[in-house]
Amino acid sequence: QVQLQESGPGLVKPSETLSLTCTVSGGSVNSNSYYWSWIRQPPGKGLEWIGYVHYSGATKYNPSLSSRLTISIDTSKNWFSLRLTSVTTADTAIYYCARAYRSTTNCPLDFWGQGILVTVSS
Amino acid sequence: AIQMTQSPSSLSASVGDRVTITCRASQDIRNDLSWYQQRPGRAPKLLIYAASILQSGVTPRFSGSGSDTTYTLTISRLQPEDSATYYCLQDYDYPSIFGQGTKLEIK
Repeated sequence: QVQLQESGPGLVKPSETLSLTCTVSGGSVNSNSYYWSWIRQPPGKGLEWIGYVHYSGATKYNPSLSSRLTISIDTSKNWFSLRLTSVTTADTAIYYCARAYRSTTNCPLDFWGQGILVTVSS
Repeated sequence: AIQMTQSPSSLSASVGDRVTITCRASQDIRNDLSWYQQRPGRAPKLLIYAASILQSGVTPRFSGSGSDTTYTLTISRLQPEDSATYYCLQDYDYPSIFGQGTKLEIK
């Protein structure tokens, strides 16, 4: 059973860079069958899709974040990461990593990490 | 970007009832829609993908249907553990967009 675990600082200052890592266990990120994804959820609000990375390094980002966003993957370490620059309080959220399965139909998010709360505050 | 409108935003029902949640897309999304359950303090859980395919291990009390722009999640024989917020997600086109969520309360 694949497991995903987010890690990184829980507090980031405004204008600085938010960096998170998602470590995958019980499976390999080095597979054509999945997109490795990030989703966030501001406290008490709904879910927002951030973007994904494929094992090849190909990425797809939410245009609302793309100018500040980098998602990368390290197949040797079996993890992928998110980097969001110039953060503001609006970036305060629970950040989830998840696996999107490239089925013959669509790409559902079938496994999720437990989430990590990142607060942007001075 | 494709817009998703989910309704209702909240509902209350009793154990044993059947409820339906609807997501409407701003254009045909060709069944590229999945449904998720999020209990308080937990990560979302995949229930349905490709509009109507039940994810392995999910109780068949959950079912999905729809086509074109309109999709529904039906929960039959409600149980107390169904108390949660439910989201749809389209991935026909990027960016993927979640519905606003439906908070289900079990009386």
